Amino acid sequence: AQSVTQPDIHITVSEGASLELRCNYSYGATPYLFWYVQSPGQGLQLLLKYFSGDTLVQGIKGFEAEFKRSQSSFNLRKPSVHWSDAAEYFCAVVPTNFGNEKLTFGTGTRLTIIP
Amino acid sequence: ETGVTQTPRHLVMGMTNKKSLKCEQHLGHNAMYWYKQSAKKPLELMFVYSLEERVENNSVPSRFSPECPNSSHLFLHLHTLQPEDSALYLCASSQDWGGGYEQYFGPGTRLTVT
Repeated sequence: AQSVTQPDIHITVSEGASLELRCNYSYGATPYLFWYVQSPGQGLQLLLKYFSGDTLVQGIKGFEAEFKRSQSSFNLRKPSVHWSDAAEYFCAVVPTNFGNEKLTFGTGTRLTIIP
Repeated sequence: ETGVTQTPRHLVMGMTNKKSLKCEQHLGHNAMYWYKQSAKKPLELMFVYSLEERVENNSVPSRFSPECPNSSHLFLHLHTLQPEDSALYLCASSQDWGGGYEQYFGPGTRLTVT
């Protein structure tokens, strides 16, 4: 079955440390790829997206993600986290086959920042 | 008001009640969505409207009834809900219906069914 996997349910990092959140997908062709962030009590906000082209994508708030076709992955990275980055992060995909336009989400990774 | 707004933010209802959730988008978008977010589960797409016509209905129980009177407003009518329907209900909108369009989310309505 087609799916999106975020293997880490919860990650804790120190403020100023680097961060990498993992995302893997299983689809026949390269889908559209997204990362969203949800702060407590808020809706989801788009951090970045990949459709085609350069496999390293820059987003808002200093985040970037790299698409690796060979690994079916789209991992999110930030070189130095801030306390305000504490939130839940969702990877999402849209299959690129016509007629299936639904955004499918992973289960999320909760990020905790310690001083 | 800007973006996507949802009211109420919190709702507690009994299983025999009837209530409605409201969503309004101030972005001039043509597509609107309802999602259900339950603990430890991926977001589930419930309904999609494009230009006020329903284009997706993801096998949602009939106790959930959507309504889209115009492209700026979306409602979710609730009746005879079950405790397992307790969740965060998120509304979203996008310029048009299709995978390439960014979705903008509201803050959600936290629903508790007692």
